Amino acid sequence: GAVVSQHPSRVICKSGTSVKIECRSLDFQATTMFWYRQFPKKSLMLMATSNEGSKATYEQGVEKDKFLINHASLTLSTLTVTSAHPEDSSFYICSASWTGGNYEQYFGPGTRLTVT
Amino acid sequence: AQKVTQAQTEISVVEKEDVTLDCVYETRDTTYYLFWYKQPPSGELVFLIRRNSFDEQNEISGRYSWNFQKSTSSFNFTITASQVVDSAVYFCALSDSMTGNQFYFGTGTSLTVIP
Repeated sequence: GAVVSQHPSRVICKSGTSVKIECRSLDFQATTMFWYRQFPKKSLMLMATSNEGSKATYEQGVEKDKFLINHASLTLSTLTVTSAHPEDSSFYICSASWTGGNYEQYFGPGTRLTVT
Repeated sequence: AQKVTQAQTEISVVEKEDVTLDCVYETRDTTYYLFWYKQPPSGELVFLIRRNSFDEQNEISGRYSWNFQKSTSSFNFTITASQVVDSAVYFCALSDSMTGNQFYFGTGTSLTVIP
């Protein structure tokens, strides 16, 4: 149980275009979803926390207008990287949890974004 | 403030050696959870263990074992008889009741097992 999927697993896009990454909880209702960014050989950096039906809470330094997060249902959250630039190339990981879930998060397999 | 420290950035061992990965944490909360994850080159995080703050018993799972010491705020991870497949980056993480389900990750330890 507690499986989280991400789509796509890899994406290459041209500079200036937007790309959407989906995060789905497959067998549970995720009241909270988290989006992380990971640079090569670095740790996971929390970008934002989103609760279903609410606006996402962004961490300091993360541009809200650039990284649009939508958590429209209890099983789906999306991250849209708008007007992507090469410096947005990174590994993006989502995770999901539910209220009363013993403070645990279930992680998706990640999406590798390359902006050319 | 919550913080997780993994002082070892990179470790190399020869196959069949034992290796211990250190994790030191900080939290003011009395209720918290500690986690270890493995991240192989594919990138996907693999859950290894969760330990709550009220359970200080050490745990063993096959070649893996964990030593939780509240007195030193440490949650160390030992791999016995290491194998090449153990090569990966290992992350320690903390989650506590003050911040709900938010995770605090350490910086990770990159383990290379040499055949």
